Amino acid sequence: GDSVTQMEGPVTLSEEAFLTINCTYTATGYPSLFWYVQYPGEGLQLLLKATKADDKGSNKGFEATYRKETTSFHLEKGSVQVSDSAVYFCALTSGTASKLTFGTGTRLQVTL
Amino acid sequence: DTAVSQTPKYLVTQMGNDKSIKCEQNLGHDTMYWYKQDSKKFLKIMFSYNNKELIINETVPNRFSPKSPDKAHLNLHINSLELGDSAVYFCASRDGHHNSPLHFGNGTRLTVT
Repeated sequence: GDSVTQMEGPVTLSEEAFLTINCTYTATGYPSLFWYVQYPGEGLQLLLKATKADDKGSNKGFEATYRKETTSFHLEKGSVQVSDSAVYFCALTSGTASKLTFGTGTRLQVTL
Repeated sequence: DTAVSQTPKYLVTQMGNDKSIKCEQNLGHDTMYWYKQDSKKFLKIMFSYNNKELIINETVPNRFSPKSPDKAHLNLHINSLELGDSAVYFCASRDGHHNSPLHFGNGTRLTVT
């Protein structure tokens, strides 16, 4: 079945540091890939998505590129801010499946 | 103008009780979901309805019963609550396109004592 593997957290960075959160997947067919963010006490919000190989999703300074050859969708940001502190989830949907399969989430803590 | 709204936000109850969580979306989406998030933030799908029809029913105890009176509402009823049911429950919806994202509610934190 489909699965998503994320790097374990927490990830602790100083403000303005470079961020990478790794995500790899296993899926049948050609999945669509997503990154969601969950701020404390809130639901998940879509951060970005990519629907086919080599697509790059981007939003709020975050980027991720759909790499079919390495089955990866790593999240990057060039300069993190304290306000980026949250839990980040990689997810996919594939085939005719109606559900989204999530990774385990990676907590990011950004300090001054 | 809340897109996906859940009530209540917090629910504290004793073991053995029966409780319900309500969810409504005003996005015109066809598909709605219930997800359970445990204390380690792991998200697991429980149910999905499309136009009031159950399409996904993961391995969930039959004490959990979803009900969809119309495509804008998906409620979750839980009988005989157990300590292990303590979690945050998220409702979500999406339109019918394969690539469309889920829109989540803000969650219901259920605590069973």
